[in-house]
Amino acid sequence: DGGITQSPKYLFRKEGQNVTLSCEQNLNHDAMYWYRQDPGQGLRLIYYSQIVNDFQKGDIAEGYSVSREKKESFPLTVTSAQKNPTAFYLCASSGTGLTPQHFGDGTRLSIL
Amino acid sequence: AQKVTQAQTEISVVEKEDVTLDCVYETRDTTYYLFWYKQPPSGELVFLIRRNSFDEQNEISGRYSWNFQKSTSSFNFTITASQVVDSAVYFCALSSGGYQKVTFGTGTKLQVIP
Repeated sequence: DGGITQSPKYLFRKEGQNVTLSCEQNLNHDAMYWYRQDPGQGLRLIYYSQIVNDFQKGDIAEGYSVSREKKESFPLTVTSAQKNPTAFYLCASSGTGLTPQHFGDGTRLSIL
Repeated sequence: AQKVTQAQTEISVVEKEDVTLDCVYETRDTTYYLFWYKQPPSGELVFLIRRNSFDEQNEISGRYSWNFQKSTSSFNFTITASQVVDSAVYFCALSSGGYQKVTFGTGTKLQVIP
């Protein structure tokens, strides 16, 4: 079945450590997105990519980095510069035009 | 700038009651899309509906219905005869400006009590 796979489901980060969250889609979608969800704050956009080898900052990009080397993959790195990384991270993808975004199951990141 | 307001943080209803989730949006664009998503306890967001700004027809899908009113910038969602499986967080979202960036509301947590 087509869909979006995020891994791992749970991730723990030590102080000063970079961690990478994986997002893979087999929907042949051009656009991919990363969101952060905190309790009571809804979803906030971190980065998005509309095409391979191109991506733009969202509303809260500081402390995060991404790459888009393949259409299917859009990994997110949470760097040590992100001082409050504990959150639920959701990856999404969409086709051309303003089509609905399809979401993965999310990764929950916590600090050790 | 665009904004989505879901003023109801949490709602509790008894099973079989009807419930309406409110959504008010702001945008300066004349062309835009509105969405509703459901987030069950498992975490993933499930797409429910998309409506474009030129289509004000209300829509019904089973027990779900949506009321889009441009005059009041609202896109409300009603669940008829609620069931325990409807318990989730529901997000309203807006996309405008001709690109894929979507603005989400803060969500309404619905609890349906058996």
